[in-house]
Amino acid sequence: DTGVSQDPRHKITKRGQNVTFRCDPISEHNRLYWYRQTLGQGPEFLTYFQNEAQLEKSRLLSDRFSAERPKGSFSTLEIQRTEQGDSAMYLCASTPEGAGGRVGQETQYFGPGTRLLVL
Amino acid sequence: AQSVTQPDIHITVSEGASLELRCNYSYGATPYLFWYVQSPGQGLQLLLKYFSGDTLVQGIKGFEAEFKRSQSSFNLRKPSVHWSDAAEYFCAVGMDTGRRALTFGSGTRLQVQP
Repeated sequence: DTGVSQDPRHKITKRGQNVTFRCDPISEHNRLYWYRQTLGQGPEFLTYFQNEAQLEKSRLLSDRFSAERPKGSFSTLEIQRTEQGDSAMYLCASTPEGAGGRVGQETQYFGPGTRLLVL
Repeated sequence: AQSVTQPDIHITVSEGASLELRCNYSYGATPYLFWYVQSPGQGLQLLLKYFSGDTLVQGIKGFEAEFKRSQSSFNLRKPSVHWSDAAEYFCAVGMDTGRRALTFGSGTRLQVQP
């Protein structure tokens, strides 16, 4: 069990550029989450996948954001036409199916995050 | 809508002293409560969780938390803090509504003085 990994760990880009982040969940974890964490705040939910299906999206996920999980394994989060307000830590988490009993009880295992700075 | 409040943005304690980090939640039904710790450059690590039963729960690294329904609180405690405990601590709530995302508080940064 190597844990959740994210790539890159840091990204600096200029306003208006597109960026893509990758998340590799723990092997055989079929649920995958993306969160955004700005300075001085806790993580805020962006979107959730069960296998390859994107089942839930937050209002924070504007049209410039898109997430995919094409084969139910790794996931990518793309931000188009980046803005300075997109500067944040982007966290990925995963959970195995059937873990935690009832909905809401799952333990989510977090990756180290990708820190994005938009200049 | 559910929310989590961590009233203390920053706390400093001396090594060996006791610690209590406060967490209050707002949620109409039974909450599922979590405490996570985040060290610099690291992801969030689960310390402990509460779903039901005994309201005093034990976690890793010597931490414990007590659920008090009457106060809508889930405070984290440790009897003797170690320098390695310096980190940011987040309280979170999960809901039994079909929505799987966690709602986090804004965190408390713990500094440990030698």
